[in-house]
Amino acid sequence: QSALTQPASVSGSPGQSVTISCTGTSSDIGGYNYVSWYQQHPGKAPKLMIYDVSHRPSGVSNRFSGSKSGNTASLTISGLQAEDEADYYCNSYTTSTTRVFGGGTKLTVL
Amino acid sequence: EVQLVETGGGLIQPGGSLRLSCAASGFTVSTNYMSWVRQAPGKGLEWVSVIYSGGSIYYADSVKGRFTISRDNSKNTLFLQMNSLRAEDTAVYYCARELSMVRGVITRAAFDIWGPGTMVTVSS
Repeated sequence: QSALTQPASVSGSPGQSVTISCTGTSSDIGGYNYVSWYQQHPGKAPKLMIYDVSHRPSGVSNRFSGSKSGNTASLTISGLQAEDEADYYCNSYTTSTTRVFGGGTKLTVL
Repeated sequence: EVQLVETGGGLIQPGGSLRLSCAASGFTVSTNYMSWVRQAPGKGLEWVSVIYSGGSIYYADSVKGRFTISRDNSKNTLFLQMNSLRAEDTAVYYCARELSMVRGVITRAAFDIWGPGTMVTVSS
């Protein structure tokens, strides 16, 4: 199972919006609405930010939103804040009942 | 408080074996989907294995035949037995609870609770 494809880095200024893409295949992202997104700060465990493509767990800011089109999922962060600077990972369920992560995207808040 | 704590990491020689434990509190391991996820130094996350509440088990191709996931219901603990270890298995190993249903709707691949991780170093 190959890793999902994410851009290595994205950046934005405080208050702006950024979108991180996650591209897979019809065997994972395209086949199911089971895409999740995680935020990871250095030295910390990942935190679930979005599940089932667009659902936010309790306690996650509504500045975070998710969507999907075909084999590509996206995470959008609006009203960028300094504390959003972190690594972001997507994950998808697959046809072989495994799970697969993206390579990760480093978000820099300028 | 709902939490997971991994133990058992350390330095091991190539070809050796190691068993990781993940103690849960605040919820029951046996009634949840539980996964292991690893992260090599400076690299991204890699899903390793999952055990369903019903007992079904799945592995990533990279560890199939070498790693075994299991649980002890009486101890509310998840395990990962790692055999034939290789340098490329060097990573922080996290255990994570995976949601299987939210408000009556089936879901997958949503890891909502994570432990702090335990480091495994495979080196001679």
